[in-house]
Amino acid sequence: DAKTTQPPSMDCAEGRAANLPCNHSTISGNEYVYWYRQIHSQGPQYIIHGLKNNETNEMASLIITEDRKSSTLILPHATLRDTAVYYCIVRPRGTYKYIFGTGTRLKVLA
Amino acid sequence: DTEVTQTPKHLVMGMTNKKSLKCEQHMGHRAMYWYKQKAKKPPELMFVYSYEKLSINESVPSRFSPECPNSSLLNLHLHALQPEDSALYLCASSPGQGPTYEQYFGPGTRLTVT
Repeated sequence: DAKTTQPPSMDCAEGRAANLPCNHSTISGNEYVYWYRQIHSQGPQYIIHGLKNNETNEMASLIITEDRKSSTLILPHATLRDTAVYYCIVRPRGTYKYIFGTGTRLKVLA
Repeated sequence: DTEVTQTPKHLVMGMTNKKSLKCEQHMGHRAMYWYKQKAKKPPELMFVYSYEKLSINESVPSRFSPECPNSSLLNLHLHALQPEDSALYLCASSPGQGPTYEQYFGPGTRLTVT
């Protein structure tokens, strides 16, 4: 199973874009990349997922490199409420199992 | 209703006690999960139920016993736990196994074993 590597922490100014990187260099062709976040003392919340194309929804954008070895989650205009731990997850296709990374603690500063 | 509920929110139990955690969803999801999360660590999968049958057991000690009485309800029975079992226990559900199905997590039960 592929593993993910994330920086342990990042700061971002309120209103600016937050770019959270994730390395998944051993990802295989049938494994999806998912992003979740966990605000303190709550359950993880789904943000976005993708296989090889870039994806965008109302919360964020996901940019996956052409070789699929890394990805970046972009929060376009970070707010204080986006302060959370962000997990990059690899999910083998057709399985229930999520392989969580260690997470990036994002702090949005006023 | 897009919510997964868990009860209780907090639980303190002794090592000789028997207790149960409860998880409920009314989204019609057919897969339900138990995760364990230690402080400052990512969630770790414990069990997966698919269509009310146990699909995955991640080599969890037998002092944790899952049960899925129906498609909306998931229990985790606890017996003879150790202090190192103290953690946040998260329940999640998903519509099925397909690659586009995200998991919806509940708020968790914070368990302390004394």
